[in-house]
Amino acid sequence: DGGITQSPKYLFRKEGQNVTLSCEQNLNHDAMYWYRQDPGQGLRLIYYSQIVNDFQKGDIAEGYSVSREKKESFPLTVTSAQKNPTAFYLCASSGSSFDVIGKLFFGSGTQLSVL
Amino acid sequence: DAKTTQPPSMDCAEGRAANLPCNHSTISGNEYVYWYRQIHSQGPQYIIHGLKNNETNEMASLIITEDRKSSTLILPHATLRDTAVYYCIAVLKSSGDKLTFGTGTRLAVRP
Repeated sequence: DGGITQSPKYLFRKEGQNVTLSCEQNLNHDAMYWYRQDPGQGLRLIYYSQIVNDFQKGDIAEGYSVSREKKESFPLTVTSAQKNPTAFYLCASSGSSFDVIGKLFFGSGTQLSVL
Repeated sequence: DAKTTQPPSMDCAEGRAANLPCNHSTISGNEYVYWYRQIHSQGPQYIIHGLKNNETNEMASLIITEDRKSSTLILPHATLRDTAVYYCIAVLKSSGDKLTFGTGTRLAVRP
């Protein structure tokens, strides 16, 4: 089955630690996105990538980093510079043709908590 | 990309139609309107999208006003499983769009 997989489902971060959230898709999509969601809030865009080896900052990129070395993979690192990392993180992908570019397929999310 | 505005919450009775409004008064001719819904602690799910014509699929109908400044998502016979947060976003046709979500409308379906 085609889809988008996020792991782990739950992740705990210690003070001063970097952690990496995994996102893999087998939909052959060019575009991939990372969103953060705080309790009771909407989705805020962290980073997005339209093509391999290229990515752009979203609205809240500070304290996060990404890479896009393969089309299928778009890992997100939450660095120690992110002082309030506790949130639900969602990864998404979409095709690049104009009529479906906004049709995002989301993963099931990773809940990150600080110890 | 155009900013969208939605009411924070709505409710409707089970079995009745749920009509969720979205205002996008600054939308350009190159922007589609997309709707998603998110059930608690899950990733959002695509529902429907349109450019200027009304659209219908197995999940919902989308009505876009002639001036394209607003739209309405219609769930014709709401069930308890339709209780969710519904997001309306405007998306540029061209690639490179940021795909920004707002805070959406929390729909509660009453038994």
